[in-house]
Amino acid sequence: QVQLQESGPGLVKPSQTLSLTCTVSGGSISTDSFYWSWIRQHPEKGLEWIGYIYSSGSTYYNPSLRSRVSMSIDTSRNQFSLSLRSVTATDTAVYYCVRSGGGPWGQGTLVTVSS
Amino acid sequence: DIQMTQSPSSVSASVGDRVTITCRASQGVSNWLAWYQQRPGKAPKLLIYPASSLQSGVPSRFSGSGSGTDFTLTINSLQPEDSATYYCQQATAFPRTFGGGTKVEIK
Repeated sequence: QVQLQESGPGLVKPSQTLSLTCTVSGGSISTDSFYWSWIRQHPEKGLEWIGYIYSSGSTYYNPSLRSRVSMSIDTSRNQFSLSLRSVTATDTAVYYCVRSGGGPWGQGTLVTVSS
Repeated sequence: DIQMTQSPSSVSASVGDRVTITCRASQGVSNWLAWYQQRPGKAPKLLIYPASSLQSGVPSRFSGSGSGTDFTLTINSLQPEDSATYYCQQATAFPRTFGGGTKVEIK
């Protein structure tokens, strides 16, 4: 079955760029049937939807983060990526990559913003 | 954005009890409502989507109902493994938005 796995640095300095990659296995990312999302969860808090990307490269970002977010997709590697610029401590969270329709979800990766 | 409000924020119940969680949307979402279960340290797991459709492999003691703005997740005969936080999410508009969560504890 389809599985997703996040990867990237667990520690990012304030004002720098957070970069994460999600690798999809067990199925092709090159499908119009699904879009691929990033969702984050602040420590002991609720869930915040960051945005999505289609295999065509079409994106939608949460307006609350739109000025700092970009997503890309590499269909040859079956991966999609998240970049979040100018991070602060409030960006510390567990970041999940998720396929549309409710899942599957990656296991999540904790990113801490700290000097 | 569509605001999703869950209640209660936490509930403590005994094994075998029935637990009901409600979710209210700030505007109508038809039946495009998902329920997730999240155990500590784990990713959320989809239980029900859309509003009343149980996902494959989810125990039948879970059920969902509602449409428009008011939805309910019911856990019949609560089991120890149901101890988790439950979230609703609307899937009709972007950005997708989640409820604040309901923590279910076993007495």
